Amino acid sequence: GEDVEQSLFLSVREGDSSVINCTYTDSSSTYLYWYKQEPGAGLQLLTYIFSNMDMKQDQRLTVLLNKKDKHLSLRIADTQTGDSAIYFCAEGRGGNKLTFGTGTQLKVEL
Amino acid sequence: EAQVTQNPRYLITVTGKKLTVTCSQNMNHEYMSWYRQDPGLGLRQIYYSMNVEVTDKGDVPEGYKVSRKEKRNFPLILESPSPNQTSLYFCASSLMGGENIQYFGAGTRLSVL
Repeated sequence: GEDVEQSLFLSVREGDSSVINCTYTDSSSTYLYWYKQEPGAGLQLLTYIFSNMDMKQDQRLTVLLNKKDKHLSLRIADTQTGDSAIYFCAEGRGGNKLTFGTGTQLKVEL
Repeated sequence: EAQVTQNPRYLITVTGKKLTVTCSQNMNHEYMSWYRQDPGLGLRQIYYSMNVEVTDKGDVPEGYKVSRKEKRNFPLILESPSPNQTSLYFCASSLMGGENIQYFGAGTRLSVL
């Protein structure tokens, strides 16, 4: 199928780690992306990973890619209230087309 | 400052009244795209353009038109809006190829009554 799938909601306590999961469909995708959408704002690129990598770390963010299972995850360490947002994964298919997941609403509780 | 600018940010209109949402980027990007965001559906691509005078349909093009007369502008036109086009719309731009980092506008929330 064409769908990129994510769970809709995730709730964590401040200071804990958050893990947002995504299942994509196209094994030929070259890049996979994580975007963040804060309330009332557009999408902001958080990080991305090239398809020949297994892991990428950038400060509090860790991206894991399992190409065999077509599974992508984003781990946010020491989650803060400012991390509350909607997180979208996206896969880069042919040309410049991005196919987005449904988005995961992350809620950080005190 | 590098940015993608959409106008208006909010729009309430009535069925059948033609409207245009403008999008402009200042990064000299070849690729521009329009998406709509609906709850539980994520972002779906409406139309895209790979360069001036080159446009093509995305996944949900029905009821929309676009044009690309200049590299920096990519307006979205709804000739006869209907209530099912009530949505949040985003414009994005990027360089062609490479890492395909897409930059997004702040969004236009459209309500069609």
